[in-house]
Amino acid sequence: QKEVEQDPGPLSVPEGAIVSLNCTYSNSAFQYFMWYRQYSRKGPELLMYTYSSGNKEDGRFTAQVDKSSKYISLFIRDSQPSDSATYLCAMSDWNQGGKLIFGQGTELSVKP
Amino acid sequence: GAGVSQTPSNKVTEKGKYVELRCDPISGHTALYWYRQSLGQGPEFLIYFQGTGAADDSGLPNDRFFAVRPEGSVSTLKIQRTERGDSAVYLCASSLNAGGDYGYTFGSGTRLTVV
Repeated sequence: QKEVEQDPGPLSVPEGAIVSLNCTYSNSAFQYFMWYRQYSRKGPELLMYTYSSGNKEDGRFTAQVDKSSKYISLFIRDSQPSDSATYLCAMSDWNQGGKLIFGQGTELSVKP
Repeated sequence: GAGVSQTPSNKVTEKGKYVELRCDPISGHTALYWYRQSLGQGPEFLIYFQGTGAADDSGLPNDRFFAVRPEGSVSTLKIQRTERGDSAVYLCASSLNAGGDYGYTFGSGTRLTVV
């Protein structure tokens, strides 16, 4: 079993929909949780990062972390065609020097 | 520079050859990371540097892989006796410090194809 599990999709939604992306993990030592967006043939781009449990909002994006359930989520409101990309969850343990463990990535397509 | 620069962007090499992949991090970033991303997968950690020293090389798959960062800035990932299974996108990232709390800035990667 992988340390971080993420449904690879693909996920297709109409423009304006609310998108929910999720990851589960097994290592309770993880303290930092991140979401990256990756366009085709580009490097991952940091969208959101959260320390420990709780919610964080930035514009149309909301990240949630539930450490008790070892479950993290990213919500995208009013989705746009430009949001079409692969979304990667990632997490790290401070004691590991910032080494990130990534999920497989979820491919999202937002149709006009 | 403004971002993390990786060269070359694409590299095709024959099985058994030696390759070098270069990463130029954001100026002032002390931590530098190498990851490998296979098709349809998330990036997998290879090695990270804090300054000039390799602080964690636990992700290097075998002794054919080696990385250096002699002056604490540019890093080179070296692969000897390349195999077809080494084909992947090699990503470099840098951050202000090691610890993961600021997240990383990734480069666009080097797409390595071993034929």
